[in-house]
Amino acid sequence: RKEVEQDPGPFNVPEGATVAFNCTYSNSASQSFFWYRQDCRKEPKLLMSVYSSGNEDGRFTAQLNRASQYISLLIRDSKLSDSATYLCVVNTGFQKLVFGTGTRLLVSP
Amino acid sequence: GAVVSQHPSWVICKSGTSVKIECRSLDFQATTMFWYRQFPKQSLMLMATSNEGSKATYEQGVEKDKFLINHASLTLSTLTVTSAHPEDSSFYICSATVLGGTQPQHFGDGTRLSIL
Repeated sequence: RKEVEQDPGPFNVPEGATVAFNCTYSNSASQSFFWYRQDCRKEPKLLMSVYSSGNEDGRFTAQLNRASQYISLLIRDSKLSDSATYLCVVNTGFQKLVFGTGTRLLVSP
Repeated sequence: GAVVSQHPSWVICKSGTSVKIECRSLDFQATTMFWYRQFPKQSLMLMATSNEGSKATYEQGVEKDKFLINHASLTLSTLTVTSAHPEDSSFYICSATVLGGTQPQHFGDGTRLSIL
């Protein structure tokens, strides 16, 4: 079983749609959690950290369920510029990050 | 915000050549730098963790004699791919952080290495 699992997609949605991505992780001792965005042939860029209390940044909402070892990302009012691969990332300790394979999002006009 | 610079961004060279990639933290001191590799349509895989002034810690399956890492200062780490072969062609990305800090890692722009 992979340490971090994501549905690879692609998720094809029209502009303005709401889309949700899920991620599960296997190491119950994992300490912190992030969503990164990666555009084609580019480096990952931090989108947001994920907390158990849930956190929101504009159109983006992230949620962590430690009991279920489950992380989610919700994007509201999708824009064309949201098209990218979204990486679920888990810090397993000592800043060691484990990346999911990513979920590809395609937003169309 | 924290900026990490990686150089070069693209390398094409012949098989057998050694290639050096630099990773610099521009506006903060990075006690720890990480080197990742990403093959097409795969996730980033950690290759090694580099701590300033000490030997790098390599992940299982990564040859330390092939991928030489030097972290001589708090702002610079280098990865040298020695005697590169076509199977070493990949996207190499570094990241930097301050160990013990709560901030997530900051990534360099990545280096696309193509070995002919």
